[in-house]
Amino acid sequence: DGGITQSPKYLFRKEGQNVTLSCEQNLNHDAMYWYRQDPGQGLRLIYYSQIVNDFQKGDIAEGYSVSREKKESFPLTVTSAQKNPTAFYLCASSIEREPLYNEQFFGPGTRLTVL
Amino acid sequence: AQSVTQLGSHVSVSEGALVLLRCNYSSSVPPYLFWYVQYPNQGLQLLLKYTTGATLVKGINGFEAEFKKSETSFHLTKPSAHMSDAAEYFCAVKKTSYDKVIFGPGTSLSVIP
Repeated sequence: DGGITQSPKYLFRKEGQNVTLSCEQNLNHDAMYWYRQDPGQGLRLIYYSQIVNDFQKGDIAEGYSVSREKKESFPLTVTSAQKNPTAFYLCASSIEREPLYNEQFFGPGTRLTVL
Repeated sequence: AQSVTQLGSHVSVSEGALVLLRCNYSSSVPPYLFWYVQYPNQGLQLLLKYTTGATLVKGINGFEAEFKKSETSFHLTKPSAHMSDAAEYFCAVKKTSYDKVIFGPGTSLSVIP
């Protein structure tokens, strides 16, 4: 079955550590996205990538980094510069070919907690 | 800037009652509109979407939404609530093909037995 996988499901980080969240898709989608979700705040876009080896900052990119070396993979690193990283992180992907109003498909999420 | 508002962060309905979740958007052109559902500790799942054509859109699980350009609204309804409908619902807007998707803040739906 095609879909998006995120790992791990739960992640604990000590202050000052960098951690990397995995996102893989086998939908052959061109675009991939990372969102952060906090209670009562909906989804906020961290980074997105519309093509391999290219990505753009979203609304809250500070303290995060990404790479897009393969079409299937879009890992997110939460660096020690992110002051309040405890949140639920969602990865999504979408087709970026005509028609261009296609919806995003979401992974199951990773819950990151800073100890 | 484009925005999405969802009136009511929490909505409670009785089992079997009508579900109405409100969504309004700000856009100078008719946008693409989406409703997603999120169950606890899971990702989002598409319920339905409006792109062009018929303004009444039917989705999964008995939900439907109507695009009203004059009211800049895209409210989500279901005639009879079921316990399994308890979840978080997000309205989302994409102004043009090349824009990012903007998500509303979400509405948490509770269904009372």
